[in-house]
Amino acid sequence: GAVVSQHPSWVICKSGTSVKIECRSLDFQATTMFWYRQFPKQSLMLMATSNEGSKATYEQGVEKDKFLINHASLTLSTLTVTSAHPEDSSFYICSASSPASGYNEQFFGPGTRLTVL
Amino acid sequence: GQNIDQPTEMTATEGAIVQINCTYQTSGFNGLFWYQQHAGEAPTFLSYNVLDGLEEKGRFSSFLSRSKGYSYLLLKELQMKDSASYLCAVMDSNYQLIWGAGTKLIIKP
Repeated sequence: GAVVSQHPSWVICKSGTSVKIECRSLDFQATTMFWYRQFPKQSLMLMATSNEGSKATYEQGVEKDKFLINHASLTLSTLTVTSAHPEDSSFYICSASSPASGYNEQFFGPGTRLTVL
Repeated sequence: GQNIDQPTEMTATEGAIVQINCTYQTSGFNGLFWYQQHAGEAPTFLSYNVLDGLEEKGRFSSFLSRSKGYSYLLLKELQMKDSASYLCAVMDSNYQLIWGAGTKLIIKP
């Protein structure tokens, strides 16, 4: 159990376009989903935390108008990178937590590699 | 501020034992996690400690001392597939994960 999927696995886009990444919890209801970004040889950087049905909470330095997060259901959250630029190229990973997890474990999706040309 | 420290890189030999240390300073403590991350992949859960002591799970063990703000991950009978980054993360009083930068473990034959 506790499987999280992400789509797409990788995407290449032109500078100035927008890219949507989906994160789904397949076999549990995720009350909270997290979006991370990871640059090469660096650790995970939390971008935002989203709770189902409410606005996401963004970390300091993350532009909420650039990284749009929607958590419309207990099994789906989306991250849209608007007007992407080459510096947005990174590995984006979502995770989800469930109240059923006794210690608030986060279950990670496989990640989405974004390359902006 | 909140801080997680772990070595940047370690090298060990196949079949041997390696210990990866993690020290932390966080606002509150709701448990410490160890994750394994292979290059280009998402992290996978290894262990969770919230009470002091050693938790053993197969070839991997994790230890916690809350009074010292210290944990270690012990890997026994190392295999080549254990080459990966190992991430230490602490859940603070707001139930937010604070991540270490990760330790890259290189296994040599």
